[in-house]
Amino acid sequence: EAGVTQFPSHSVIEKGQTVTLRCDPISGHDNLYWYRRVMGKEIKFLLHFVKESKQDESGMPNNRFLAERTGGTYSTLKVQPAELEDSGVYFCASSQEEGWPTEAFFGQGTRLTVV
Amino acid sequence: ILNVEQSPQSLHVQEGDSTNFTCSFPSSNFYALHWYRWETAKSPEALFVMTLNGDEKKKGQISATLNTKEGYSYLYIKGSQPEDSATYLCAFGNSGYALNFGKGTSLLVTP
Repeated sequence: EAGVTQFPSHSVIEKGQTVTLRCDPISGHDNLYWYRRVMGKEIKFLLHFVKESKQDESGMPNNRFLAERTGGTYSTLKVQPAELEDSGVYFCASSQEEGWPTEAFFGQGTRLTVV
Repeated sequence: ILNVEQSPQSLHVQEGDSTNFTCSFPSSNFYALHWYRWETAKSPEALFVMTLNGDEKKKGQISATLNTKEGYSYLYIKGSQPEDSATYLCAFGNSGYALNFGKGTSLLVTP
């Protein structure tokens, strides 16, 4: 069974440009999460989808970040316009069950560098 | 903001050494404690999910314990091997569904 896959694995863009990250969760997983790790810091929660609905987006840094999950399958995270401080590794995770405890399966991450 | 602290920040041991790391977390409103193993450019790999005070879990030479009353968990690696080199992350789950991660302990095992 395929795990959580993320595209691209790396992206280097200039400040002010737009970047869209994609996440394909494990098939059948209703819960999809986005996290971000800025260098030297801990991995931080961005938002949580249940199917196509945003359950919790309290971790989204600002309105330059837009996440979507049309049809409740894959998800995209768009950063527009990108700023230097957006650089980091963006992780996607999915889980089958809602509530605790539930094991979240992570993708390999997208390393975003804004120059 | 829920502070999850991990120590040490980094660790360098020789092959065959046993080692342990600490994760401390808020003891109130506890739901679950997760340990992940992460190698750069790979997916963080789930090691353990623990929910009950006193839980002990084991996978091969890696084991973990949980104390929810005092808010800490230990991860032990017995007889470290070079392939155990990675960053070990702990994450605390409370009433929401988000995981609150520590910064991790970076382990290097040299032959």
